[in-house]
Amino acid sequence: DAKTTQPNSMESNEEEPVHLPCNHSTISGTDYIHWYRQLPSQGPEYVIHGLTSNVNNRMASLAIAEDRKSSTLILHRATLRDAAVYYCIRPGGGADGLTFGKGTHLIIQP
Amino acid sequence: DTGVSQNPRHKITKRGQNVTFRCDPISEHNRLYWYRQTLGQGPEFLTYFQNEAQLEKSRLLSDRFSAERPKGSFSTLEIQRTEQGDSAMYLCASSLGTGYSPLHFGNGTRLTVT
Repeated sequence: DAKTTQPNSMESNEEEPVHLPCNHSTISGTDYIHWYRQLPSQGPEYVIHGLTSNVNNRMASLAIAEDRKSSTLILHRATLRDAAVYYCIRPGGGADGLTFGKGTHLIIQP
Repeated sequence: DTGVSQNPRHKITKRGQNVTFRCDPISEHNRLYWYRQTLGQGPEFLTYFQNEAQLEKSRLLSDRFSAERPKGSFSTLEIQRTEQGDSAMYLCASSLGTGYSPLHFGNGTRLTVT
């Protein structure tokens, strides 16, 4: 079972950084960590993925713990458009058929 | 890149009827995935195709569910003899399928079974 654990919800203020945690204590050495987000009434959207070292792209940064049992998605300056459900995912289906949990509902206050 | 397209966006049907949903992936993507999402839950993986070959279908929810991708382009998901419990959002995603390539999702078909 490809399990990750995330808080059900988090709240942050606009223009402040947001740190979304994820625990994946049973992850194997070759499993990537993937993050997707889902805005209301839309399909999920890819955010970032990584294996061991920290990763950055135009949307976010991903900080992976040295033991790989946890990771943190960092939104450097949240906007109202970042309000969404954020999913931290390990591989679980066939050939990258990712298994989603319930995710973290991120609320951004103006 | 016109994105993944799903039709219809909404479908209301009566219990016992058959329904079919269509997914048009991004044109150069050779992998196509189907997911189901119920209220308050994350998407649940159902099946996937590599070109026209269905490589994983053990997660299809019952034998009433079937999917096809006849020419390796668009795909259809059919639910026979619908039940109220089939009411959900059905999502399609596609990916390049080389190395790790992200999944690109459509906006889904919302099915309501009355």
